[in-house]
Amino acid sequence: GAVVSQHPSRVICKSGTSVKIECRSLDFQATTMFWYRQFPKQSLMLMATSNEGSKATYEQGVEKDKFLINHASLTLSTLTVTSAHPEDSSFYICSAARVPGELFFGEGSRLTVL
Amino acid sequence: GESVGLHLPTLSVQEGDNSIINCAYSNSASDYFIWYKQESGKGPQFIIDIRSNMDKRQGQRVTVLLNKTVKHLSLQIAATQPGDSAVYFCAENIASNTGKLIFGQGTTLQVKP
Repeated sequence: GAVVSQHPSRVICKSGTSVKIECRSLDFQATTMFWYRQFPKQSLMLMATSNEGSKATYEQGVEKDKFLINHASLTLSTLTVTSAHPEDSSFYICSAARVPGELFFGEGSRLTVL
Repeated sequence: GESVGLHLPTLSVQEGDNSIINCAYSNSASDYFIWYKQESGKGPQFIIDIRSNMDKRQGQRVTVLLNKTVKHLSLQIAATQPGDSAVYFCAENIASNTGKLIFGQGTTLQVKP
């Protein structure tokens, strides 16, 4: 099946620093990718829709200046958590659409902000 | 706002028994529903999906039932195994063919040997 890879799988950073998480579709091109955040024992919350070659579409309540999304190629979307704080510690998951409606999820990236 | 909810946060079953996980959704315009399994520290794993023009779909050991009248979705797992222990989420596609999914709260399935 199709593979979506996230890197890093785990990252620990100091408060105030920025962290970049990559989401790659390894064997297909994805014009659309999605970023989710998941807190412990909670569900996945959609943060934004990442569109190749255009600006991301953010869900209500998600700060676009804090969570920078770049989808510069058909196989890569990046999420940068800027000036991270402990409350940003979470599990970040991406998904990529091979064709509209056919989604594949990455394995997630666990961010811990000290 | 509209949401997808699950009736039970935790379901404990005996190995070999059948499991039924329920989900209620409120967006009547949703036309595509998916069940995912998530193991600790991992991303969601696709189990089975169903479109709104169907009321039942079967896979290997799993069956999804859709009742549009009461906006209810269920996942049935036959002969539950220890490897089935995980958190199960239903998700609805709220924007047709875009892949934009809204996830339910999740049900933890615990399989007792």
